Amino acid sequence: SQQGEEDPQALSIQEGENATMNCSYKTSINNLQWYRQNSGRGLVHLILIRSNEREKHSGRLRVTLDTSKKSSSLLITASRAADTASYFCAPRSGGGADGLTFGKGTHLIIQP
Amino acid sequence: DTAVSQTPKYLVTQMGNDKSIKCEQNLGHDTMYWYKQDSKKFLKIMFSYNNKELIINETVPNRFSPKSPDKAHLNLHINSLELGDSAVYFCASSQGVEDQRSFGPGTRLTVL
Repeated sequence: SQQGEEDPQALSIQEGENATMNCSYKTSINNLQWYRQNSGRGLVHLILIRSNEREKHSGRLRVTLDTSKKSSSLLITASRAADTASYFCAPRSGGGADGLTFGKGTHLIIQP
Repeated sequence: DTAVSQTPKYLVTQMGNDKSIKCEQNLGHDTMYWYKQDSKKFLKIMFSYNNKELIINETVPNRFSPKSPDKAHLNLHINSLELGDSAVYFCASSQGVEDQRSFGPGTRLTVL
């Protein structure tokens, strides 16, 4: 399994602004998954984007994937205080059973 | 209607003790996982079980042993606890290894 690396490590913005966080990985993938973790809670799955997809939307979330650059981005539009959380990406490589491995995440703080 | 549940939520114990953490999922998923999140927020895969068969073991000390009585349960047994075992342990499940994970709320283990 390979680990995604999120950037920035921390991000603080005003409510209503857009938040963008990036993920880089090292080897080819089957899909890449984004998760959110609120303080003291388990991870919640946000979006799964497959290697043959370039962009995916879910509500205020937009995920892009550039396999040539081995990178993905997560955009949260019109941020809300409830979006305050840590965000993790998990690249999923093929080749049999593989557990997802997560990086340190991006800690997002939305200021009211 | 909790999808993935873990007990206990908190566990404080002395070095050298043996303890277990229980996990149950009611999603009908075929694969279950244990992850460890340390104080630096790294979330690392420990084990996964597919149809009662261990399919990954990521360099975890053999003091840790997963036990799966049936497809819906994956318990984590830890023998001879050490200070470095202090962390938050998350159980997760997915339909297949390619699919999104559903995480439990976590068990915060503190070894004194």
